[in-house]
Amino acid sequence: DAGVIQSPRHEVTEMGQEVTLRCKPISGHNSLFWYRQTMMRGLELLIYFNNNVPIDDSGMPEDRFSAKMPNASFSTLKIQPSEPRDSAVYFCASRLPGANTEAFFGQGTRLTVV
Amino acid sequence: KQEVTQIPAALSVPEGENLVLNCSFTDSAIYNLQWFRQDPGKGLTSLLLIQSSQREQTSGRLNASLDKSSGRSTLYIAASQPGDSATYLCAVEDNNDMRFGAGTRLTVKP
Repeated sequence: DAGVIQSPRHEVTEMGQEVTLRCKPISGHNSLFWYRQTMMRGLELLIYFNNNVPIDDSGMPEDRFSAKMPNASFSTLKIQPSEPRDSAVYFCASRLPGANTEAFFGQGTRLTVV
Repeated sequence: KQEVTQIPAALSVPEGENLVLNCSFTDSAIYNLQWFRQDPGKGLTSLLLIQSSQREQTSGRLNASLDKSSGRSTLYIAASQPGDSATYLCAVEDNNDMRFGAGTRLTVKP
């Protein structure tokens, strides 16, 4: 397996534009996490899914952020409209069923909003 | 809400030294604790996962311990090498919610 695949790797967009980040989890993994990493705040959990269902989205900063998982092999994180303070590295992670399984991370998407 | 703290924030040691990284958490009702490594500009790589019923896990030169009652974990790195230079993060899982510390940035000097 190629691991968790995120796209794009880098995204530069203008303030106010819509941004969509994509994630393909490892096949067979039923839990998926979206994180945001900044120098100031470290790694913040935004949302996680179990079996394609959002379980906890309390980390989503505000209504401008939304995440979907239409099937077991694909998830998106959308920001509309984007703002400069959204600039960060966004990571997706997945893992096998069960609470005691390792999480595998993608390489991240570096988002810059100018 | 679970709070995870890592001390020190940065550590610089000469090659060959043994070292300990610390992680503490506020709520002891955890499922597991996981240690990760992150290289600059890269994603996170899992190093060790300790289940709540376990006391320690070992992988090569790495040994992680867990004291759930006191809310502490340590990552011991033996005979450090320049290739160990990276940021090390611990993550605590409870109720399927995995939360990270801020990390310890380790530099091993040749």
